[in-house]
Amino acid sequence: GQQLNQSPQSMFIQEGEDVSMNCTSSSIFNTWLWYKQDPGEGPVLLIALYKAGELTSNGRLTAQFGITRKDSFLNISASIPSDVGIYFCAVAGAGSYQLTFGKGTKLSVIP
Amino acid sequence: GAVVSQHPSRVICKSGTSVKIECRSLDFQATTMFWYRQFPKQSLMLMATSNEGSKATYEQGVEKDKFLINHASLTLSTLTVTSAHPEDSSFYICSARGQGAVSYTQYFGPGTRLTVL
Repeated sequence: GQQLNQSPQSMFIQEGEDVSMNCTSSSIFNTWLWYKQDPGEGPVLLIALYKAGELTSNGRLTAQFGITRKDSFLNISASIPSDVGIYFCAVAGAGSYQLTFGKGTKLSVIP
Repeated sequence: GAVVSQHPSRVICKSGTSVKIECRSLDFQATTMFWYRQFPKQSLMLMATSNEGSKATYEQGVEKDKFLINHASLTLSTLTVTSAHPEDSSFYICSARGQGAVSYTQYFGPGTRLTVL
């Protein structure tokens, strides 16, 4: 099946620092998504990307859809304690409603 | 916004019993619902895709006779774990896709924690 390589697996940062994480794939995808999951909850959509090269922001979050359509990154600026959680990338193939998720990046923010 | 609920939020059962988990779209009609399983410290793995009024499509390796899915209405899908065993203990999450929505638009429920003793 499709496989996404998400890195880093986990990160510990100081409050106020910027964060960057990314996902790569060996296949081309038409939609890249970034979700955040809090403990014991379902994922919540943060940013959706539909076009190669697209750069989209949502508050302190910025994500880009790679020009090759095989990768994406998510940046969080000026991190705060409530940014703690697991961030997942996900992809949707052409004409498919199904999502494939990366393995997640666990973010810990030290106050 | 679109809200998806799941019930129960957590359940503990004895080995060999069956457990039913409900997934409801509260303020929209969901033509398609998805069921995922998430083991500790792992990602979400799609188990099956359920379309209203038709049989669910299961992913490779997921036993359809063990994980019974019913999507009888546009707002409700159920997952029944039959003859549950300890290895079925996991976090089960559903998502729903609305009518006419673009392909990515899945709204996730809060999940159900199943523990089989």
